[in-house]
Amino acid sequence: ILNVEQSPQSLHVQEGDSTNFTCSFPSSNFYALHWYRWETAKSPEALFVMTLNGDEKKKGRISATLNTKEGYSYLYIKGSQPEDSATYLCALSSGFQKLVFGTGTRLLVSP
Amino acid sequence: SAVISQKPSRDICQRGTSLTIQCQVDSQVTMMFWYRQQPGQSLTLIATANQGSEATYESGFVIDKFPISRPNLTFSTLTVSNMSPEDSSIYLCSAYLQSMNTEAFFGQGTRLTVV
Repeated sequence: ILNVEQSPQSLHVQEGDSTNFTCSFPSSNFYALHWYRWETAKSPEALFVMTLNGDEKKKGRISATLNTKEGYSYLYIKGSQPEDSATYLCALSSGFQKLVFGTGTRLLVSP
Repeated sequence: SAVISQKPSRDICQRGTSLTIQCQVDSQVTMMFWYRQQPGQSLTLIATANQGSEATYESGFVIDKFPISRPNLTFSTLTVSNMSPEDSSIYLCSAYLQSMNTEAFFGQGTRLTVV
């Protein structure tokens, strides 16, 4: 059974702070690692899909890295803004398009 | 990209009743899935909705409890049958586009409370 773990469970930062979250997963049978942002009452929004060891991806102030050999991915947010407040989910896919999700990191950014 | 319309967005239901959730995609998609998030838990896959055939259920989920239909490439329903308070969850449908087997797209979710 695949087990995806995320830490921290929740985070409260001030506007302008930079922050990062961790996603850990078993390194065997790896196909792809997904990051999603999920705001309350909205659809989860895809941030990144990463497949190669050493991948680094960036979208605006948000970036992610991937280490498949040791089984972890980091998500970074530079200069957090209140609109970044959301739950950030990572998910592992095994190649059959099914996703195994972590429990998420709930981020709250205060003005 | 794809837009997925899911309804209802929320409902409060009596135990013992059933609720059908609908998911409509604005593009033809290859794969459609149904997930559930119980309070404090991860999003968990219930089943893969197969077009024109029976859904494929994950361990711990059965057709009698969660019947699924997918009559065409853009529409699917999930029914939560004979509900109990333990079924109180957020239910999400998800899909991949035919041309992009990378990121998944999601509906807005159905927040179900069973009383």
